[in-house]
Amino acid sequence: ETGVTQSPTHLIKTRGQQVTLRCSSQSGHNTVSWYQQALGQGPQFIFQYYREEENGRGNFPPRFSGLQFPNYSSELNVNALELDDSALYLCASSLGQTNSPLHFGNGTRLTVT
Amino acid sequence: KNEVEQSPQNLTAQEGEFITINCSYSVGISALHWLQQHPGGGIVSLFMLSSGKKKHGRLIATINIQEKHSSLHITASHPRDSAVYICAANSGGSNYKLTFGKGTLLTVNP
Repeated sequence: ETGVTQSPTHLIKTRGQQVTLRCSSQSGHNTVSWYQQALGQGPQFIFQYYREEENGRGNFPPRFSGLQFPNYSSELNVNALELDDSALYLCASSLGQTNSPLHFGNGTRLTVT
Repeated sequence: KNEVEQSPQNLTAQEGEFITINCSYSVGISALHWLQQHPGGGIVSLFMLSSGKKKHGRLIATINIQEKHSSLHITASHPRDSAVYICAANSGGSNYKLTFGKGTLLTVNP
C-alpha cells in the first residue's frame, strides 16, 4: 500500500502569483485534509474534502481553494500569494470522515518572496 | 489562550529515561490525536483516542475526558525518539478540523 505523497516538496513563488500543491492520498482513502504550518507553530486546518466535496473549512480566505478528484487525490490552490503564506503545507488522508487515523504526507515547503 | 496547550515546550532527557508530555484542551472533543513530527516536516500519527488508554510499543497515551487532559508517555527513551510531539483535538462534527498544540520538542541524548 502506498502512503500519502505530496508534490512538489519545495517551491519558491513571488508575491501575487498563484500556486497549486498536489496530494495523492493513501490507497483506499476517500478523505483528504489540508493544513498550513508556519515556522515554529502547530498546523492549522485549511479544509477537508470527502468524496470530492468540501465538508469543512478553517479560518482561511477564499483565495485558498481546493479540489478532490474521483481517485481521491487532491489539490490546494492559493491565489494572490502573500508573504505570510510562506509555510509547510501538509495533507492527510483517511478512510471515513473522522473515525479513522490520519496519514500525513511529508509536506510542501512554500516560500513566498 | 490557545484552545490546546502542551507542556513542556522543550524537554531534554537522557537515554533510558521515562518521558511524559502533557496536553490540556478547553474544547469538547470527539477524539484526541498524538502526532510525531521529525525535522523536515513529515508527520506520523501515533494515537487517536477518545477515552482511556492506548499502548503501542514503548509509547502510551492516556486521556481523561472529565479533566480535558491527555498525556503521552515514552518508556525507555532512545535518541531516535527525538522529535516534536504534537497533540491535536478534534472537536467533533464531520471533519478533521483539528486544533493543534504548538508541540513539544523532545531531545534524547545518548
